[in-house]
Amino acid sequence: KQEVTQIPAALSVPEGENLVLNCSFTDSAIYNLQWFRQDPGKGLTSLLLIQSSQREQTSGRLNASLDKSSGRSTLYIAASQPGDSATYLCAVEGPGDTNAGKSTFGDGTTLTVKP
Amino acid sequence: DTGVSQDPRHKITKRGQNVTFRCDPISEHNRLYWYRQTLGQGPEFLTYFQNEAQLEKSRLLSDRFSAERPKGSFSTLEIQRTEQGDSAMYLCASSRVGGTSGGEQFFGPGTRLTVL
Repeated sequence: KQEVTQIPAALSVPEGENLVLNCSFTDSAIYNLQWFRQDPGKGLTSLLLIQSSQREQTSGRLNASLDKSSGRSTLYIAASQPGDSATYLCAVEGPGDTNAGKSTFGDGTTLTVKP
Repeated sequence: DTGVSQDPRHKITKRGQNVTFRCDPISEHNRLYWYRQTLGQGPEFLTYFQNEAQLEKSRLLSDRFSAERPKGSFSTLEIQRTEQGDSAMYLCASSRVGGTSGGEQFFGPGTRLTVL
């Protein structure tokens, strides 16, 4: 059974700081890994998708890396802003053909960026 | 197309009543997913469809839950004989299979269910 862990559960930083969020998973035979942002009471917004054959993806101030062999992904946020305050979730699809289409989520890291 | 939509956004019901939620995916997406999320937790997979076929159903889903996706378009999730433990946010997502961004899931705003 795939398990996804996100540490820390909460993080508070001053505006302008660069930061890294961590995601680990127990079974490395995944199809992809996706990072999301969720604002309170809202749905999830897709940030980055990394296919199993890729090592990293970048979008603006965000960079996500994937190391399947160690079961880890990191989301790097550069020059953080108060508008980045939200809960960040990672999800992995798989493992294996029997779990294709089934995604397992971590419980998220709640980020607060102080002005 | 403006993304995944869900209806209703909020539902309050009494224990024992049946409820039905609707999800309209992004039009060209062939996969549709249902998740349940409680406060402080990540979304929990319930089931997913590829076109009109329901390919996976979580063992956590009791017989009181049923989902359909007629003609591979919109989907409905029905909960029969609701219990207080069913209170949660029900999220729908869609994706397409294949291509460089295949598998990227896009979520709707969710339906918040409160069972009294």
